[in-house]
Formats: sequence, C-alpha cells, structure tokens
Amino acid sequence: AQSVAQPEDQVNVAEGNPLTVKCTYSVSGNPYLFWYVQYPNRGLQFLLKYITGDNLVKGSYGFEAEFNKSQTSFHLKKPSALVSDSALYFCAVRVFSGTYKYIFGTGTRLKVLA
Amino acid sequence: NAGVTQTPKFQVLKTGQSMTLQCAQDMNHNSMYWYRQDPGMGLRLIYYSASEGTTDKGEVPNGYNVSRLNKREFSLRLESAAPSQTSVYFCASSVSFSGADTQYFGPGTRLTVL
Repeated sequence: AQSVAQPEDQVNVAEGNPLTVKCTYSVSGNPYLFWYVQYPNRGLQFLLKYITGDNLVKGSYGFEAEFNKSQTSFHLKKPSALVSDSALYFCAVRVFSGTYKYIFGTGTRLKVLA
Repeated sequence: NAGVTQTPKFQVLKTGQSMTLQCAQDMNHNSMYWYRQDPGMGLRLIYYSASEGTTDKGEVPNGYNVSRLNKREFSLRLESAAPSQTSVYFCASSVSFSGADTQYFGPGTRLTVL
C-alpha cells in the first residue's frame, strides 16, 4: 500500500538551532512531494514541493527540503529555527494510481523553545 | 482575494441531525476537495470534484454527500450525523486535478456530534 510516514509526533528544538522534520514515503512510480504547515485554528498552508530536478528544494519562510530517492525520504529543514515556526507540519505525496491521489502523513508538531 | 472560505467555523449537532458545510473559492480553480482531520490520522479525503460538474469518492466517503454547485462552490452534506463524524473538516482547491498543483486550504469547520 502506498503510504507516507512522519516518524516523530513532536520535535523540540531551541531557537536559533537547525531543525529537521522527517518524512519517508512508500509509493510506486515517481511521486510529487509536498510540505504543508498548519498554525493553530488555521487551514494548511503550502511550504514547498518537489517535482523533478534539483534534490534540494527551497520554500517559504526559509524552509528547505531534500529529496533522497534511494532512502525514499523528503526531510524538511531550516538552518535556524524561530519561535514563530512552532506549528504542525504535514508531508504529502501526490501519486497516480488509476486516478491522482494525495496521501498525507499524520503530522509532526514542531515546538521551538525560546 | 479571500482564497478558500468555509462556513460555519464551528457546529454542534445531535446524533441523527443533518447539516451542510459550505465552501467557496475565488481563485478560479477547477478542482475542489473535502478532507477530514482527526488526531493522529492526518488528513483523509472524503470527496473531490476534479472539475465543475463532476464529483468522486475519496478515501472515507460513507455518511457524506457533496454538490459542486458551480465552479466556485463545493458543499458537503451530512444526512444523519454520527459521533464518528466529529472532526475538523477542511475544504481545499487547486488549479487542476492532475500533476503537481498545490492545494489551497480553507480555515476549517470544527464539528462535534453528540
């Protein structure tokens, strides 16, 4: 079955430190990969996506993600975390299996400590 | 541009009652989606409308119906609400259904069924 895994329910990091939110996927074919962020009581907001080309993708608010085909991973990173980055982060994959489908991970709560 | 709007923001129903969740987008997008978000389960697709005039079932369609009223509006109806439908509901839209188009989400409707 096609799936997306976010192995950490919560990630804590000190302000100013680098952060990583992990995502791995198991799909057939070449997936399109996305990261979304959800602030409290808000809908999901798009951060970045990988379609093809350079494995390092840069997105909004200083976030970037690295596509690693051999490890089937798409980890979200930021060099220096801000308290305002505290939110719920979702990895998603777009696949074609008879029809196009989005598969979302279960989300990782990022807490940046001042 | 308001983006994707949803009404109501909150709703409490008794088991067996019916209601309709409204969604509208002003981005001239062709495709629209309804998701539910439950703790620890990420987002699950209920129904989608790839283009005006078409609707299809997603991952968890049971107990729901949808109507794509026009290009802008996509409503979700619960005919006989059950406690298992207590959730946060998100509407989303994208330019098209295929490819790697980004989805844009509304702020959500928090529904409680007693």
